[in-house]
Amino acid sequence: AQTVTQSQPEMSVQEAETVTLSCTYDTSESDYYLFWYKQPPSRQMILVIRQEAYKQQNATENRFSVNFQKAAKSFSLKISDSQLGDAAMYFCAKLSGTYKYIFGTGTRLKVLA
Amino acid sequence: NAGVTQTPKFQVLKTGQSMTLQCAQDMNHEYMSWYRQDPGMGLRLIHYSVGAGITDQGEVPNGYNVSRSTTEDFPLRLLSAAPSQTSVYFCASSRGFASGANVLTFGAGSRLTVL
Repeated sequence: AQTVTQSQPEMSVQEAETVTLSCTYDTSESDYYLFWYKQPPSRQMILVIRQEAYKQQNATENRFSVNFQKAAKSFSLKISDSQLGDAAMYFCAKLSGTYKYIFGTGTRLKVLA
Repeated sequence: NAGVTQTPKFQVLKTGQSMTLQCAQDMNHEYMSWYRQDPGMGLRLIHYSVGAGITDQGEVPNGYNVSRSTTEDFPLRLLSAAPSQTSVYFCASSRGFASGANVLTFGAGSRLTVL
């Protein structure tokens, strides 16, 4: 079975600092999509950022950016200028041609004031 | 625009009881799916549908049943609840699978406890 691995169950970052969350995955396909979703304490899941595997350029969304290493099957999320509102559970996910989204186990991010 | 609506938000069941978690979306999304979220295990796909009349199994389908008679609705049925089904359940939908269409919109979740 295909897997998505988040090896950091919990991370902490000081407000205004930068933090990187790790994600690795396995796949035999050349075309797929990768996502980072955020789940705040309200439990509502929302998209943070997405990346198409066929694109070389790393995706960015304001303070959020990814480091996509296709050969290494790595998809890390960098949060710059961390804010208190960034505190949440972050899930990495992969979508391939089987119409199945596979999620990692999540990383809980704490932001320290 | 309500997005994805899940009901109920909370439910307590006894072992062996049956129930249906409702999911409705008003965005004309073709793809709908159900996940369960358990501590330390992330979100695991239960069942999914790529259109009305079409459903398929995900990673953890045992003990659950689905149907998709309309584009809007995708109910999840627990046939005979077991304590192992205690979890938070999420319904999610997307327009499709092409770039830009494959972002999931999630419901608010349903917390189910089976005693």
